[in-house]
Amino acid sequence: DAGITQSPRHKVTETGTPVTLRCHQTENHRYMYWYRQDPGHGLRLIHYSYGVKDTDKGEVSDGYSVSRSKTEDFLLTLESATSSQTSVYFCAISESAGQGTGEQYFGPGTRLTVT
Amino acid sequence: AQSVTQLDSHVSVSEGTPVLLRCNYSSSYSPSLFWYVQHPNKGLQLLLKYTSAATLVKGINGFEAEFKKSETSFHLTKPSAHMSDAAEYFCVVSLMMDSSYKLIFGSGTRLLVRP
Repeated sequence: DAGITQSPRHKVTETGTPVTLRCHQTENHRYMYWYRQDPGHGLRLIHYSYGVKDTDKGEVSDGYSVSRSKTEDFLLTLESATSSQTSVYFCAISESAGQGTGEQYFGPGTRLTVT
Repeated sequence: AQSVTQLDSHVSVSEGTPVLLRCNYSSSYSPSLFWYVQHPNKGLQLLLKYTSAATLVKGINGFEAEFKKSETSFHLTKPSAHMSDAAEYFCVVSLMMDSSYKLIFGSGTRLLVRP
C-alpha cells in the first residue's frame, strides 16, 4: 500500500461523538486525500491537502474537517458523528502536480460504523 | 464537466475466458485515465494508466486497456480470467484543478469469476 497506514482500521462509535481518523505516509508526497466509499458511489472526495497546513474541500465535505501539521500525517475529524457517516474511509497520496500524471496511491481503509 | 461511466455494475465470466469491463468518459480535454482494482476488504491498487503516450496500455496481472478518443472509451480487457481476478474494478479520470489533481471515479464493476 505504498507506505500508507491508516488508524484505526475499524471503529464503532455512537451518534454525536467526535471521531478522528489518521493517515500516515512514509513517501514524502505533497498531496494527501480523504475519500469515503459507499455502495454504488465509487469513491468520493471529502477533503484534500496540497501541503502542510494547506487543505481544501472536496465534493462531500459537510460534517468533516481535516488538519495537516506535518507532511506525513493527515487527520480527518467528524466533529459529531451521524449514521450517514457510516462508511469506509480511504486515505490517498500523490506526488506534486508537476510530476506524474495524477495517479494516487491508497491506504488500506478504515471501516467506521456510527450507531 | 468530467465524468466516468462504467457500463456494467456486475460482470460474470468463467475461468479461462476473456474479460471485458467497459468504461466511457467525458472530458473537455485529453485526460489521464486509470483503472484501479479493489479486492475484498482491501484498498485500491493501480492496475494501469493512460497518459497519452500510447493508446494501448498494459498493466499488471495481464490486464490491458485501449484508449479510443473517437468513442471516448477506455475498456479493460484480459484474455483469460483467473479466479484471483475476482474483485471490484474502478475506471477513473484525472482532472487538474487548482494546481492539484483530482480523481473522478466510476461507480465500479464487480467481476465474478466462475470455476
